[in-house]
Amino acid sequence: AQSVSQHNHHVILSEAASLELGCNYSYGGTVNLFWYVQYPGQHLQLLLKYFSGDPLVKGIKGFEAEFIKSKFSFNLRKPSVQWSDTAEYFCAVLTRTSYGKLTFGQGTILTVHP
Amino acid sequence: NAGVTQTPKFQVLKTGQSMTLQCAQDMNHEYMSWYRQDPGMGLRLIHYSVGAGITDQGEVPNGYNVSRSTTEDFPLRLLSAAPSQTSVYFCASSRIVRTGELFFGEGSRLTVL
Repeated sequence: AQSVSQHNHHVILSEAASLELGCNYSYGGTVNLFWYVQYPGQHLQLLLKYFSGDPLVKGIKGFEAEFIKSKFSFNLRKPSVQWSDTAEYFCAVLTRTSYGKLTFGQGTILTVHP
Repeated sequence: NAGVTQTPKFQVLKTGQSMTLQCAQDMNHEYMSWYRQDPGMGLRLIHYSVGAGITDQGEVPNGYNVSRSTTEDFPLRLLSAAPSQTSVYFCASSRIVRTGELFFGEGSRLTVL
């Protein structure tokens, strides 16, 4: 079965700092990759997704992620974070054999100080 | 637009009690699922459904039942609550089964004493 690993449980940054959250998955076949975000007190929402094509994908609010197949990674980046980016971020993977069942990572809590 | 609606938002149960978490979506999505969220463990799939009358188990199905009599509704039943079922539960739906683009409800926080 596939698995997803997020390296950092809690990341603390100051505003304007750059962000990179790590995500690695274990599955040898074709994957769809996602980052979901959960703002305090809100439900999860899709931040960005990768299905195929350009491995650098852009999402909402200035976030981007790069799919590196050889490293089984899908790291999330943002050049300059804002206080409003404080949230929990989840990486998720969908494989061709999982039939719609997303596998989520453990989540990374991002705290941005003004 | 209502999207995915979950009720109740908060619930406290005693060990051994049963209850049903309700989930309804108004987007005519075929795929619906239940996840539980626990600190440091991310979201884990409990049960899912790819259409009315069709359900299947996810990663952590023990202690939970589901049914899907209509496209709109996907209730989750706790048969005999245990403290290990203390968690936040999320219902999610998707228009196309294989895309993984889920729309989530706001969550139901359940505490079992």
